[in-house]
Amino acid sequence: DTAVSQTPKYLVTQMGNDKSIKCEQNLGHDTMYWYKQDSKKFLKIMFSYNNKELIINETVPNRFSPKSPDKAHLNLHINSLELGDSAVYFCASSPTGGLAGLPYEQYFGPGTRLTVT
Amino acid sequence: GQSLEQPSEVTAVEGAIVQINCTYQTSGFYGLSWYQQHDGGAPTFLSYNALDGLEETGRFSSFLSRSDSYGYLLLQELQMKDSASYFCAVPRLNDYKLSFGAGTTVTVRA
Repeated sequence: DTAVSQTPKYLVTQMGNDKSIKCEQNLGHDTMYWYKQDSKKFLKIMFSYNNKELIINETVPNRFSPKSPDKAHLNLHINSLELGDSAVYFCASSPTGGLAGLPYEQYFGPGTRLTVT
Repeated sequence: GQSLEQPSEVTAVEGAIVQINCTYQTSGFYGLSWYQQHDGGAPTFLSYNALDGLEETGRFSSFLSRSDSYGYLLLQELQMKDSASYFCAVPRLNDYKLSFGAGTTVTVRA
């Protein structure tokens, strides 16, 4: 059973296009995230959602729009793609409630490698 | 804000011991997590220290000293499969954020 799944795994597209990445978790977690990992492997939080509500928006360009239709899904839509958007995008989820809800243990999806040409 | 510092690279031979240090500056500190990421893979959770001291899980151990704002991950009896990037991270309660260090690339040589 896949805990956190993302589609697609690879995405190659041209500048200016619009694309979406889908994420689903079957762990029953309340909180989901999008991270961007650049070529230097730095993991940067983009968004977090708790029970379908946006909690974190880390100064991400508004070309990026997350959407959480339910607790198990968090999708990411990117408009007008730019070269600098090329990176690996990870979806993750974490339980809340343990240790007062601290998100110290997160479960990551396999990642989506986005290449913008 | 939060900042975490860890070495960028460590190289060691099979069977050796490697210690990856992490120093942090953060408000509202709750504990320190460690993650492993193989090339082309996803980060996976290794351990979490909320209290001072050493936590052992098989060949890997993690240590925390709150008074020194410092922790480390200890990899013992290194195996080739331990070649990966290792990240320390601190959780935040108010917005469920986990802030990651820049990662340490561990290379294990035969």
